[in-house]
Amino acid sequence: DQQVKQNSPSLSVQEGRISILNCDYTNSMFDYFLWYKKYPAEGPTFLISISSIKDKNEDGRFTVFLNKSAKHLSLHIVPSQPGDSAVYFCAGAAFSSGSARQLTFGSGTQLTVLP
Amino acid sequence: DSGVTQTPKHLITATGQRVTLRCSPRSGDLSVYWYQQSLDQGLQFLIQYYNGEERAKGNILERFSAQQFPDLHSELNLSSLELGDSALYFCASSVLQGNYGYTFGSGTRLTVV
Repeated sequence: DQQVKQNSPSLSVQEGRISILNCDYTNSMFDYFLWYKKYPAEGPTFLISISSIKDKNEDGRFTVFLNKSAKHLSLHIVPSQPGDSAVYFCAGAAFSSGSARQLTFGSGTQLTVLP
Repeated sequence: DSGVTQTPKHLITATGQRVTLRCSPRSGDLSVYWYQQSLDQGLQFLIQYYNGEERAKGNILERFSAQQFPDLHSELNLSSLELGDSALYFCASSVLQGNYGYTFGSGTRLTVV
């Protein structure tokens, strides 16, 4: 059961344009959503998050939008830069056993920003 | 350097063998999480420890086990290895159980031949 789905394995955009990465989820118990970025040979690094009670969170060039009714979130990167080329993972957070919140990750989207 | 140290970086072993992956969390972090990333798969949660105690289990096989030691480093033991166990294994740490800003290590790439 894939609770978090990233249906686009890859995305290519021109430098300076907007990158939009999408994520769908099925678990209504998620109360936080996060995006992580991963470069080759490195571990994922935290990028931006949003609480389930909000519909938008912005941090510099990165904005995450949450549509709870559609169980959909998206990450917008404006303007896109070549250094943004990486795999982006969407994750949902919910309490699980032992009163610990757990992250459930999607399969990732490879973003390539073309110069 | 994220502050989370995983060793070894690469491991090649034969089917049926047993291996131990090691993780040293970021200084001050009490929670350690183990994740598995297989080819074209997302990060699958395996297990979490908090201050030496197991707190949550995910899709961890019975052939796999883990522990967190008093100095907070953690080990993931994989036994009776199968070809399908070949994957990237990531360790992450955080200060608190509910802190979402996990810090990940750079992973251990396990290849079972």
